[in-house]
Amino acid sequence: KNQVEQSPQSLIILEGKNCTLQCNYTVSPFSNLRWYKQDTGRGPVSLTIMTFSENTKSNGRYTATLDADTKQSSLHITASQLSDSASYICVVSGENILTGGGNKLTFGTGTQLKVEL
Amino acid sequence: ETGVTQTPRHLVMGMTNKKSLKCEQHLGHNAMYWYKQSAKKPLELMFVYNFKEQTENNSVPSRFSPECPNSSHLFLHLHTLQPEDSALYLCASSPLQGGVDTEAFFGQGTRLTVV
Repeated sequence: KNQVEQSPQSLIILEGKNCTLQCNYTVSPFSNLRWYKQDTGRGPVSLTIMTFSENTKSNGRYTATLDADTKQSSLHITASQLSDSASYICVVSGENILTGGGNKLTFGTGTQLKVEL
Repeated sequence: ETGVTQTPRHLVMGMTNKKSLKCEQHLGHNAMYWYKQSAKKPLELMFVYNFKEQTENNSVPSRFSPECPNSSHLFLHLHTLQPEDSALYLCASSPLQGGVDTEAFFGQGTRLTVV
């Protein structure tokens, strides 16, 4: 069964500090992994997309890593800001065998991050 | 803004009411999705439409009835809902035939409360 597990479930950090969120998955065959940021009551917005051959990808203060061998990913947030308070969701796409593209998405439960002064 | 617009943003309805959620995208995407997000649960896929044809129904109760009149619009018709149906309902769209980095774009969601 395809699953995506995230840890920690919730996290509180002080503004300016760094943090790392974890994602383990069992989706196979694998196409890509995305990290989304979801503000309360809003739809998820993509932060990074990583395919099998990519080990790391950055988007501003967000850096995602991927180890396809161990099926683990992490999202590192540098110099956190109050606006980083949100839910961060790891989403894994299985490969569409017919087209070679991405297919059904499997969502993690998310990590709820709160940045405080 | 992701290019996917959902209305209304908030909806409160009684268990005997009939209401509809609307989703609209003008991104040129041919696949549209309805997801349900309950508190502390991962997003649950409800329905998938490819080129206006429903290709997936994840055992969703019949009190939820989707409609896709064209590739740009998606509706979710609601009737005789239960309080446990209260959740954030998210619409998404994506290119149907894409590369390995094909991405789904989400709307802002409709916060539904059933009383």
